[in-house]
Amino acid sequence: DAGVIQSPRHEVTEMGQEVTLRCKPISGHNSLFWYRQTMMRGLELLIYFNNNVPIDDSGMPEDRFSAKMPNASFSTLKIQPSEPRDSAVYFCASSWRGINTEAFFGQGTRLTVV
Amino acid sequence: AQKITQTQPGMFVQEKEAVTLDCTYDTSDQSYGLFWYKQPSSGEMIFLIYQGSYDEQNATEGRYSLNFQKARKSANLVISASQLGDSAMYFCAMRGNQAGTALIFGKGTTLSVSS
Repeated sequence: DAGVIQSPRHEVTEMGQEVTLRCKPISGHNSLFWYRQTMMRGLELLIYFNNNVPIDDSGMPEDRFSAKMPNASFSTLKIQPSEPRDSAVYFCASSWRGINTEAFFGQGTRLTVV
Repeated sequence: AQKITQTQPGMFVQEKEAVTLDCTYDTSDQSYGLFWYKQPSSGEMIFLIYQGSYDEQNATEGRYSLNFQKARKSANLVISASQLGDSAMYFCAMRGNQAGTALIFGKGTTLSVSS
């Protein structure tokens, strides 16, 4: 298996632009997570899907952020409009649902908003 | 709410020595899972070890072991015989039904191994 695939790996955009981050989970996994990592706040859970359904989006910072999972093999995280404080590394991870299964992470997308 | 606390921002150890990275957690769940991940400077997240709340024995994976003390709600990672390649950020995490089985992370501990 190719693992969790995220694209793009790096994104530089201007403030106010729309940014879309993409994730392909491991085939067969039914849980998907989006995280944001910064030096100040560490690894924050943004949103969590089970069987393509959002279970908990309380970590989404504000209405500028939205996430979708239209099918079991694809998810997007969109920021519109982007702001410099959104600059971070965004990770997607997938797993089997359950408290005893580890999550597998993608390589992350490094987002820089200038 | 579930919470993971890692109180050591940085730890320093010499090669071949053992090191313990601390992790405490808070949950009202009776059944939960505890995980440790490693993040080297290259940025990828690598799963190291898992401990279930009902597991009677501490988990071990090669040079990694998890010192699980349920009554104290602690799940410390022990790395034996440290190597230079162990220098990285280490995260403790948990999954429980209270959070809908979401995987919640602590702030992490940076480990530096010197020769």
